[in-house]
Amino acid sequence: AQSVTQPDIHITVSEGASLELRCNYSYGATPYLFWYVQSPGQGLQLLLKYFSGDTLVQGIKGFEAEFKRSQSSFNLRKPSVHWSDAAEYFCAVVTGGYQKVTFGTGTKLQVIP
Amino acid sequence: DTGVSQNPRHKITKRGQNVTFRCDPISEHNRLYWYRQTLGQGPEFLTYFQNEAQLEKSRLLSDRFSAERPKGSFSTLEIQRTEQGDSAMYLCASSSGGLDNQPQHFGDGTRLSIL
Repeated sequence: AQSVTQPDIHITVSEGASLELRCNYSYGATPYLFWYVQSPGQGLQLLLKYFSGDTLVQGIKGFEAEFKRSQSSFNLRKPSVHWSDAAEYFCAVVTGGYQKVTFGTGTKLQVIP
Repeated sequence: DTGVSQNPRHKITKRGQNVTFRCDPISEHNRLYWYRQTLGQGPEFLTYFQNEAQLEKSRLLSDRFSAERPKGSFSTLEIQRTEQGDSAMYLCASSSGGLDNQPQHFGDGTRLSIL
């Protein structure tokens, strides 16, 4: 069965520092991968997606992610974090004929001044 | 595109009561999904509709749960005889289908609290 692992439950970074959030997936076929962000009490907002082609994908708010098939990873990066980036981040994979989304458990990002 | 709308945003009820949530998807989207998110976890798939047909249900969806999408537009999720473990955020999402048309667009959810 497909699964998504986010090994870091909580990460704290200083404002202006770089960020990398890890994501590993388990899926037999070519995965369709996403990163979503969720602010407290809110729904999910798509940051970026990977379907095929260039393995480095750009998203909104200055985020990017790199798909590495050999490592089954899809890590999210940002070169300089802003205080408004504090939120919970979910890696996800779309699978199956009905395209249901399987989410990781999330990484909560705290940004300190 | 007015986005996916969910009502109510918050629901507080006593254990044993029935509750119903509503989801209005993006108007041209024929696919509708329900997810449940408990504290500290990612959302988990509950059920999927294509137009008015319910095509897949998770094992998480016990027989106390029922979902409908009668005219292929809005959907309702009903929980009967609520239990403490039902406390969660219930998220609705919609899409126009096809992997190239992903992602799903999510609503802001209905937070259910069982007293």
